[in-house]
Amino acid sequence: QKEVEQNSGPLSVPEGAIASLNCTYSDRGSQSFFWYRQYSGKSPELIMSIYSNGDKEDGRFTAQLNKASQYVSLLIRDSQPSDSATYLCAVRSAGNQFYFGTGTSLTVIP
Amino acid sequence: DAGVIQSPRHEVTEMGQEVTLRCKPISGHDYLFWYRQTMMRGLELLIYFNNNVPIDDSGMPEDRFSAKMPNASFSTLKIQPSEPRDSAVYFCASSSTGGAAGYTFGSGTRLTVV
Repeated sequence: QKEVEQNSGPLSVPEGAIASLNCTYSDRGSQSFFWYRQYSGKSPELIMSIYSNGDKEDGRFTAQLNKASQYVSLLIRDSQPSDSATYLCAVRSAGNQFYFGTGTSLTVIP
Repeated sequence: DAGVIQSPRHEVTEMGQEVTLRCKPISGHDYLFWYRQTMMRGLELLIYFNNNVPIDDSGMPEDRFSAKMPNASFSTLKIQPSEPRDSAVYFCASSSTGGAAGYTFGSGTRLTVV
């Protein structure tokens, strides 16, 4: 079992819709959770971090964390073509190990 | 702030040759991470440093790989001898919080070993 699992997609949504990206992790003691966005040929860019159960909102982005279910999600409201990228879920485990998922490819169709 | 600076951006080398990748972290960041990214395996942590000291090198694939951080503003990742399966994008990242608040990646070095 991988430490962090994501649906590789591709996920396609129409412009203006809500994109929902999901991630599960295996280390129940993990404390820090991150979403990175990676455009093709570019480096990952941190867009959200979350540490407590519940929702965290930043503009059009909402991160959701459920530690009991070992589940992290990212919602993108009013999706724009510029949101088309690969989204990487990252987890910092209790042992200070860092793990990335393989990413979900998102395409927003104009 | 110039961000994390990596060089070269692209490297093409022949199998068996030595390859050296370079990284300059963000000034003031005391953690430095080396990652490798491939389509098959995604992002893999190779090694990370804290205050120039290697803390965890368990991700280094084999003895052909070595990394150094002689000072707070410079790190190298060396592969000797290189093999075609080392072809990947190598990222350096730095942080002032050990990654607890995420970290900033450099632009990466795309390595092709032929």
